[in-house]
Amino acid sequence: DAGVIQSPRHEVTEMGQEVTLRCKPISGHDYLFWYRQTMMRGLELLIYFNNNVPIDDSGMPEDRFSAKMPNASFSTLKIQPSEPRDSAVYFCASSPGGSLDYGYTFGSGTRLTVV
Amino acid sequence: QQQVKQSPQSLIVQKGGISIINCAYENTAFDYFPWYQQFPGKGPALLIAIRPDVSEKKEGRFTISFNKSAKQFSLHIMDSQPGDSATYFCAASRADFNKFYFGSGTKLNVKP
Repeated sequence: DAGVIQSPRHEVTEMGQEVTLRCKPISGHDYLFWYRQTMMRGLELLIYFNNNVPIDDSGMPEDRFSAKMPNASFSTLKIQPSEPRDSAVYFCASSPGGSLDYGYTFGSGTRLTVV
Repeated sequence: QQQVKQSPQSLIVQKGGISIINCAYENTAFDYFPWYQQFPGKGPALLIAIRPDVSEKKEGRFTISFNKSAKQFSLHIMDSQPGDSATYFCAASRADFNKFYFGSGTKLNVKP
């Protein structure tokens, strides 16, 4: 298995632009998570899905952030409009669920820089 | 409110030494405590995990010690190697709730 695949690896955009981050989870994993990592706040859970349905989006910072999972093999995290304070590494992770012993499998992340 | 508090923020250890990272939690409903290891440019990867029915779990050079009454757990890396240099995150979750709360991370540097 290729693991969790995120794209792009790096994104530099100007303030006010729309940014879309993409994630392909591991096939068969029922759970998908979006995390944001910064030096100041560490790893923050933004939203997670179970069987393509958003379960908890309480970590989404504001209405500028939205996430979708149209099918079991694809999810997007969109920021519109982007701001410099959104600069961070965004991770997608997936899990088979059923038992926490499987843990999460994280992707390699998207490093977002908003200038 | 930070659900899991981790210390130290950074750690320097000589090759062959013992690295110790500590975490504390407040929510007594947590019953699953994993540690993740993250190398630069990579996502965190599950290293080792423990449930509160045991006080210690060992996998190779990595050991988790768990103190339920104190609501603390720690990661010990024996015979630390330069290849162990990474950022380590503790986490906590409830077994019936597929959501982890992560500590703030510890950057470990093992000197040759």
